[in-house]
Amino acid sequence: EVQLVESGGGLVQPGGSLRLSCAASGFTFGDYWMSWVRQAPGKGLEWVAHIKVDGSEKYYLDSVKGRFAISRDNAKNSLFLQMNSLRVDDTAVYYCARGAAAFEYWGQGTLVTVSS
Amino acid sequence: EVVLTQSPGTLSLSPGERATLSCRASQSVTRNFLAWYQQKPGQAPRLLIYDASIRATGIPDRFTGSGSGTDFTLTISRLEPEDFAVYYCQHYGSSPRTFGQGTNLEIK
Repeated sequence: EVQLVESGGGLVQPGGSLRLSCAASGFTFGDYWMSWVRQAPGKGLEWVAHIKVDGSEKYYLDSVKGRFAISRDNAKNSLFLQMNSLRVDDTAVYYCARGAAAFEYWGQGTLVTVSS
Repeated sequence: EVVLTQSPGTLSLSPGERATLSCRASQSVTRNFLAWYQQKPGQAPRLLIYDASIRATGIPDRFTGSGSGTDFTLTISRLEPEDFAVYYCQHYGSSPRTFGQGTNLEIK
């Protein structure tokens, strides 16, 4: 069974940093591109970033470029999102999703709240 | 960037009725790389349709995706009580991936 479990969310002040993790199981992690998608409270879905199987290519939403960094550790079946210079409008549930096209598998999400 | 506009914003129907949801793209979607998702409160989205018309694993055949180019439709032939939710379209033909703003399908 495919499982994606996010962690690392929480409350942070504007300008602060957080590192999200996604633990994957039930499939060969190193065979798949991986993505982060977020959803602000009461709002729609927004793609944030995705990363190639070997980490050699990374793509970002314009509003997070230079502030967020996606990475992966295939030996540990893990995906990461380092978030720096956080802003109030980064507040959202962050989902880890398998693939970079149509997302068949999603985690349960981790809530990031940016507030003073 | 491909902007996806969904209509209507809210659709009020009764169980057993037919639902037709629209997704219009600001430019042609490459190779009809378009997906539909269902999301219920407090849950992650669930993939329904990919490549515009292919049902994902385990999705009932009352869900049908159609369309090409810039105009896409999700049809639910006979609404079941569990179908009332928010539906999103998403393209994946280029970066950035983008989602529509969603259609809220509510019980009338």
